[in-house]
Amino acid sequence: EVQLVESGGGLVQPGGSLRLSCAASGFTFSSYWMSWVRQAPGKGLEWVANIKQDGSEKYYVDSVKGRFTISRDNAKNSLYLQMNSLRAEDTAVYYCARDLRSWLFDYWGQGTLVTVSS
Amino acid sequence: EIVLTQSPATLSLSPGERATLSCRASQSVSSYLAWYQQKPGQAPRLLIYDASNRATGIPARFSGSGSGTDFTLTISSLEPEDFAVYYCQQRSNWPTFGQGTKLEIK
Repeated sequence: EVQLVESGGGLVQPGGSLRLSCAASGFTFSSYWMSWVRQAPGKGLEWVANIKQDGSEKYYVDSVKGRFTISRDNAKNSLYLQMNSLRAEDTAVYYCARDLRSWLFDYWGQGTLVTVSS
Repeated sequence: EIVLTQSPATLSLSPGERATLSCRASQSVSSYLAWYQQKPGQAPRLLIYDASNRATGIPARFSGSGSGTDFTLTISSLEPEDFAVYYCQQRSNWPTFGQGTKLEIK
């Protein structure tokens, strides 16, 4: 059974940093692109970033470029999102998602809430 | 950025009725359109991909159609567990999602 479990969310002040993790199991993690998708409270979904199987390619939505860094450790079956210079508008539930092919998200984690507030 | 507009914003129907949800793209996305279902407090679930293909384990009452800029998700006969928010998503270009249609019990 495919499982994705996010962790690392919490309350952080504007300008602060946070690192999210996603532990994957039930599939060959190193064979898939992986993505982070976020959802602001009561709002819709927004793709944030994705990373190729070997980590050699990474893409970001414009609003997080230069502030967020996606990475992965295939030996640990884990995906990460380092978030720096956080803003109030980054407040959201962050989901990791398996990218079946070209941004088709077939499995999602349960999400982790990031709240940016003073 | 390709903008997806979903209609209606809210759809009120009764169990057993047919639901028709629409998604319109600001430019052609070919058939690279997916539908997701999200229930309160849960992650989205993939229902339909590439406009008309049901994902693994999705009941046959869910169907998708369309190409180019106009797409439809149809639920042939609503079950109680189908009341949720539905999002469309395009992957023709950088991925974007529609704003969602809330399907509520009438």
